[in-house]
Amino acid sequence: GAGVSQSPSNKVTEKGKDVELRCDPISGHTALYWYRQSLGQGLEFLIYFQGNSAPDKSGLPSDRFSAERTGGSVSTLTIQRTQQEDSAVYLCASSAGLVFTDTQYFGPGTRLTVL
Amino acid sequence: AQSVTQLGSHVSVSEGALVLLRCNYSSSVPPYLFWYVQYPNQGLQLLLKYTSAATLVKGINGFEAEFKKSETSFHLTKPSAHMSDAAEYFCAVTGGFKTIFGAGTRLFVKA
Repeated sequence: GAGVSQSPSNKVTEKGKDVELRCDPISGHTALYWYRQSLGQGLEFLIYFQGNSAPDKSGLPSDRFSAERTGGSVSTLTIQRTQQEDSAVYLCASSAGLVFTDTQYFGPGTRLTVL
Repeated sequence: AQSVTQLGSHVSVSEGALVLLRCNYSSSVPPYLFWYVQYPNQGLQLLLKYTSAATLVKGINGFEAEFKKSETSFHLTKPSAHMSDAAEYFCAVTGGFKTIFGAGTRLFVKA
């Protein structure tokens, strides 16, 4: 597609349920990033993929969070046993991935609300 | 380790006035610095970036930023604010694959 897409755009879930958030990067982009944007706060780095590999998973808030990327394209962020503090906008970005200064292109985000 | 501090969560200027959004960074490696903008109900987009070439960087929509190593700053400026500049602005730093964003500064432009 022309840009980064994310689905769903909004997700309301009950505490304790699992959720999956999807990101479709720009075609050909090898680098993919997940961030979390909480109300009134900046973007919190969660994880980075270069191809299908995630060199550093230390940004994931807890072991309830996991992410994978398949075929060097689509990525899924999974949150297990959701908690109210997980409520936030989850943003995905992709870049050409050739150098660290490559521009990151952001998707519109998934707004997650945990009741 | 890297960090970014944006001074002022809210800045209000009159239309036509100078816009100055402040950003200070900390980095243990030579930093690459970015400014992103988020318009209401839209995704983030890149305004400009510093990649160790020229210290004065020009971006879109008349914005520019100057990298000052001695002050560890990368402030964003625009000579004359326009109503359409009302948005949230994020400063970010990276020295590798991990990009650290500031908390953001919301710019209000008064008619």
